[in-house]
Amino acid sequence: DGGITQSPKYLFRKEGQNVTLSCEQNLNHDAMYWYRQDPGQGLRLIYYSQIVNDFQKGDIAEGYSVSREKKESFPLTVTSAQKNPTAFYLCASRPDDGGRQPQHFGDGTRLSIL
Amino acid sequence: QKEVEQDPGPLSVPEGAIVSLNCTYSNSAFQYFMWYRQYSRKGPELLMYTYSSGNKEDGRFTAQVDKSSKYISLFIRDSQPSDSATYLCVQEGDSNYQLIWGAGTKLIIKP
Repeated sequence: DGGITQSPKYLFRKEGQNVTLSCEQNLNHDAMYWYRQDPGQGLRLIYYSQIVNDFQKGDIAEGYSVSREKKESFPLTVTSAQKNPTAFYLCASRPDDGGRQPQHFGDGTRLSIL
Repeated sequence: QKEVEQDPGPLSVPEGAIVSLNCTYSNSAFQYFMWYRQYSRKGPELLMYTYSSGNKEDGRFTAQVDKSSKYISLFIRDSQPSDSATYLCVQEGDSNYQLIWGAGTKLIIKP
């Protein structure tokens, strides 16, 4: 079955540590996204990528980094510069065929501070 | 100012009832709207994708957009306990990279 796989489901970060969240899709989608979800707030865009080897900052990129070396993969690194990383992180993808296509989501990674 | 507002709930209704979920938006320049359903500890899944005003129906679900009042509604007929989830209202900006998300309404269907 095609879909988006995020791993791990739960992740704990120690003070001063960088952690990487994995996102893999087998939908052959061109565009991929990372969002952060906090209680009582709408999803906020961290980074997005429309094509391999290219990505753009979203609304809250500070303290995060990404790479897009393969079409299928879009890992997110939460760096030690992100002072409030506890949240639910969601990866999404969609075809970029010039038309309006909705985004499809993985099942998220919950990041907590130790 | 770009905002999509939803009542956080929870909204609790008995099984079989008709449910009405609502949200308001502030920017009338953008006319594509979506409803996503999110179960606990899961990612959002698309329910409905609508354009401008009028109704769109899909099974037990009907999405309605009222441009004059900047009001978006999702109706669920014959509600089931499996409909218990958080419903997210989304407005699409001038590209698919600019989605404006509501914070969601938590719905509980009591058996």
